[in-house]
Amino acid sequence: DQQVKQNSPSLSVQEGRISILNCDYTNSMFDYFLWYKKYPAEGPTFLISISSIKDKNEDGRFTVFLNKSAKHLSLHIVPSQPGDSAVYFCALYSGGGADGLTFGKGTHLIIQP
Amino acid sequence: DAGVTQSPTHLIKTRGQQVTLRCSPKSGHDTVSWYQQALGQGPQFIFQYYEEEERQRGNFPDRFSGHQFPNYSSELNVNALLLGDSALYLCASSLEGQGTVTQYFGPGTRLLVL
Repeated sequence: DQQVKQNSPSLSVQEGRISILNCDYTNSMFDYFLWYKKYPAEGPTFLISISSIKDKNEDGRFTVFLNKSAKHLSLHIVPSQPGDSAVYFCALYSGGGADGLTFGKGTHLIIQP
Repeated sequence: DAGVTQSPTHLIKTRGQQVTLRCSPKSGHDTVSWYQQALGQGPQFIFQYYEEEERQRGNFPDRFSGHQFPNYSSELNVNALLLGDSALYLCASSLEGQGTVTQYFGPGTRLLVL
């Protein structure tokens, strides 16, 4: 029973355009939401996060949106650059549960020149 | 500023053997979490160590155990290895009480069980 779903295994976007990565969850107890980026042969790198009291957080080219009623999280990257090609994971945290993060399966983002 | 380091980078074992993986947290961090990432999956939480004790545990059997040392470094031990234990094992560190749950990951140890 997957609590966190990233329904697009891969996404191809042209350089300079917007990349939108999506994440859906089922457990309303999650109260902190993170995005990680992973290159092959490296560990996940933290990108941006948002707490459940907000609906948007922005950091440079990266913006995370949270829709609590729809249990939906998205990451916008604009403009997309070739170095953004990687696997992106959403990771969710529930303060009332285990102290670990619950990850989605990831979306492989490919930026085309 | 030293990041999270893990050793070894790669390891090959046979079924039934035991393995120990090591992790040094990011400088200044006191909490270490371990994750298992199978091929094509996201990382799965194994357990977390804080103040040298296992604080929380995910859905993993007792064959998976760990330890945290006074310098905050940590070990993950897996006994009676199964083929299904083949995965990338990730260590993540964080700092307790900072009002954030952000964890910083090391490069991982890739374990292959034959």
